[in-house]
Amino acid sequence: AQTVTQSQPEMSVQEAETVTLSCTYDTSESDYYLFWYKQPPSRQMILVIRQEAYKQQNATENRFSVNFQKAAKSFSLKISDSQLGDAAMYFCAYTPGDYGGSQGNLIFGKGTKLSVKP
Amino acid sequence: DAMVIQNPRYQVTQFGKPVTLSCSQTLNHNVMYWYQQKSSQAPKLLFHYYDKDFNNEADTPDNFQSRRPNTSFCFLDIRSPGLGDAAMYLCATSTGKRQLAKNIQYFGAGTRLSVL
Repeated sequence: AQTVTQSQPEMSVQEAETVTLSCTYDTSESDYYLFWYKQPPSRQMILVIRQEAYKQQNATENRFSVNFQKAAKSFSLKISDSQLGDAAMYFCAYTPGDYGGSQGNLIFGKGTKLSVKP
Repeated sequence: DAMVIQNPRYQVTQFGKPVTLSCSQTLNHNVMYWYQQKSSQAPKLLFHYYDKDFNNEADTPDNFQSRRPNTSFCFLDIRSPGLGDAAMYLCATSTGKRQLAKNIQYFGAGTRLSVL
């Protein structure tokens, strides 16, 4: 069974600084997708960034980038120039690439609560 | 504009009293999901619909049911809520078409259920 592990329950970063959130996963599949989702307090979960396993190049979205190490099954999120609005719970998630009959069900890690200090 | 809408945002029910949570979408997506998220925990998939095909997760209690009368709407029915069912319930959608989906799910804001 696939699993996703986020080993940092809480992280803190100073405004304008850089922070890295860790995520590891376990799968025997070769084709899959990895995601970071952000869930602000009392607000809906939104996609931050997505990585296809077959792509070697790390995904980037403005201030957000990932370090995808397929062999090590590691998928960390780097947030540069942190802003107060980045404070949220961040979830790492996995889904198999061929759906496997599961229509792309997401398997989430337990989340990392990020605080941003002014 | 909200694309996945959940109503109500907050729902209070009594122990054992049936309750229905609602989700609607304007994305015309084929797949709709229901997740349960307890405090400080990761969302856990309960079930999903691909069009009219219902897919239940193996460990979803029988107390939880779902209906999808059309593409736009999906309901979560809890037949006899217990105290342990108090949680945030998240609805999500995806296209279900791999070429287009890129496996992205779009979430609603959730319904927080309290059981008294």
